[in-house]
Amino acid sequence: DAKTTQPNSMESNEEEPVHLPCNHSTISGTDYIHWYRQLPSQGPEYVIHGLTSNVNNRMASLAIAEDRKSSTLILHRATLRDAAVYYCILRPLPQGAQKLVFGQGTRLTINP
Amino acid sequence: GAGVSQSPRYKVAKRGQDVALRCDPISGHVSLFWYQQALGQGPEFLTYFQNEAQLDKSGLPSDRFFAERPEGSVSTLKIQRTQQEDSAVYLCASSLVLGTDYGYTFGSGTRLTVV
Repeated sequence: DAKTTQPNSMESNEEEPVHLPCNHSTISGTDYIHWYRQLPSQGPEYVIHGLTSNVNNRMASLAIAEDRKSSTLILHRATLRDAAVYYCILRPLPQGAQKLVFGQGTRLTINP
Repeated sequence: GAGVSQSPRYKVAKRGQDVALRCDPISGHVSLFWYQQALGQGPEFLTYFQNEAQLDKSGLPSDRFFAERPEGSVSTLKIQRTQQEDSAVYLCASSLVLGTDYGYTFGSGTRLTVV
């Protein structure tokens, strides 16, 4: 399974943008980049995914480097409810079971 | 229901006791996964079902762990002769179809404490 590297923790202030980085230098051409987050005492929650182009949805934006060796999850205006552990995960094209391989993730703290 | 439901929410077991953890996936979801999450760690894959077929059980840590999904909907994870190292949150996730375009929906988990 392709490996991702994320900072252990980050801190930001409420109502400010947050940029969460992820390095995946061994990504293959068919790997999708997925982001999940896990709020306290909850299961992980899907946030966003992409392959090559930048992606936007109601929760966040995903910026993917041109060489695809890194990506950044962008929360445009953080709220206290965004405090969570954020996981960057690589998923290959479907070939049978598609288990998610979680790393340690980035623990995001939001200051009021 | 609207989400993945897991029960019980908390379970305390004496060492050596057998436990059964239940997962009710979203109705119609084909894929079902079990994960184990130790304190401070990311979830780790245990096993995967496609409908009633268990297609991957490579993550089960020992033969004390057993999972089933007999009718392709509800799943049960059973742990026999529990040990202290089994203490963790057990997460269930389901998905409508296989494929990278669909996110998985996780339940809130069952926190198992073995004393």
